[in-house]
Amino acid sequence: KAGVTQTPRYLIKTRGQQVTLSCSPISGHRSVSWYQQTPGQGLQFLFEYFSETQRNKGNFPGRFSGRQFSNSRSEMNVSTLELGDSALYLCASSRQAQPANTEAFFGQGTRLTVV
Amino acid sequence: AQKITQTQPGMFVQEKEAVTLDCTYDTSDQSYGLFWYKQPSSGEMIFLIYQGSYDEQNATEGRYSLNFQKARKSANLVISASQLGDSAMYFCGFCSGNTGKLIFGQGTTLQVKP
Repeated sequence: KAGVTQTPRYLIKTRGQQVTLSCSPISGHRSVSWYQQTPGQGLQFLFEYFSETQRNKGNFPGRFSGRQFSNSRSEMNVSTLELGDSALYLCASSRQAQPANTEAFFGQGTRLTVV
Repeated sequence: AQKITQTQPGMFVQEKEAVTLDCTYDTSDQSYGLFWYKQPSSGEMIFLIYQGSYDEQNATEGRYSLNFQKARKSANLVISASQLGDSAMYFCGFCSGNTGKLIFGQGTTLQVKP
């Protein structure tokens, strides 16, 4: 069965622009989580969606937002891009709302470069 | 708030030897899960092993085992018989049974020497 699909794989944007990243979870998975990975900060949790509702949110400014559709696909949006937003953005899906005994499966990520 | 710590930024191991990657966590939750993921240079996160807070036995998956010491709040990953393909970054993850939020440590870069 298909894995987690993230599009696009690579993206270059200029400061001040906005960007939308997409994540299609594994079929049947209803939970989608987003992470930002940078060399300095490591893997940081952005937010988690389950059944179109945001269940958890990390410590990021309001420029970072997301949503989940009825088919469980999720998008995250970053507005007014800053140079520091350059990172690998990873999406993970799991079958349920991330209970403690369900592993999350990750996509290959979207590498965003802000210039 | 939960916190997860990996104190080894980088490690070297000789091929065919065993290596232990450290992970400690801080939580007041009774129910939680601990995970280890491998991230090769391609960037994809690969699930390796899971340990539940109520599991009495240490988890094992092939060459991977998780040394779970609940009282010490540690969940070290042991890789036996290291292979060159094990060279990657390894992340320890903690998932709260209350919030469902999965967080990760800073990661450990492992290099396997031939």
